[in-house]
Amino acid sequence: GENVEQHPSTLSVQEGDSAVIKCTYSDSASNYFPWYKQELGKGPQLIIDIRSNVGEKKDQRIAVTLNKTAKHFSLHITETQPEDSAVYFCAASDRTGYALNFGKGTSLLVTP
Amino acid sequence: DGGITQSPKYLFRKEGQNVTLSCEQNLNHDAMYWYRQDPGQGLRLIYYSQIVNDFQKGDIAEGYSVSREKKESFPLTVTSAQKNPTAFYLCASSSTGGNGYTFGSGTRLTVV
Repeated sequence: GENVEQHPSTLSVQEGDSAVIKCTYSDSASNYFPWYKQELGKGPQLIIDIRSNVGEKKDQRIAVTLNKTAKHFSLHITETQPEDSAVYFCAASDRTGYALNFGKGTSLLVTP
Repeated sequence: DGGITQSPKYLFRKEGQNVTLSCEQNLNHDAMYWYRQDPGQGLRLIYYSQIVNDFQKGDIAEGYSVSREKKESFPLTVTSAQKNPTAFYLCASSSTGGNGYTFGSGTRLTVV
């Protein structure tokens, strides 16, 4: 599948700080960009998504921004809490509109 | 409650044996997917199915086979041809396209 790069691979922040995870994609046909949170031993859960006709979307402490020209999108978590600690994956739809190509994940640790 | 169920949670097999992983959903979703997750590798697409009796290969289909005889079910067989089958396998479904995947809780396969 097309390449989705995700950075950083690990991120440690103090409780209450903000966390930012960045992704870039290569397929200009991608038009759907979801973010997933995965806790240890569980399947990923969708936390927020954005479509190519929107530049920013916010849901309480979580926001996602998309720059289609530069082919990058970012996840912003504000006022982090210990329960935000997990692995986060970004993804981009492929040109069929069905499959998702995933980044390699960011392990976020929020310390009290 | 609607959801997607993978079974079993843990599976052990001897090298050279075929093994079938179960995935069932009651979300009335048309599309279903199989991903493989290895440490540090993110999620890689094995196979996906847009409708009953139809499926497409993903990026790493070699050594795997699937069937889609019913809308609710999408079993994955890991054959003896798969060179490195030990991994965490995730099944997902979506209503249309690749939007808004719902993931199962995964099956951890260990081949000894």
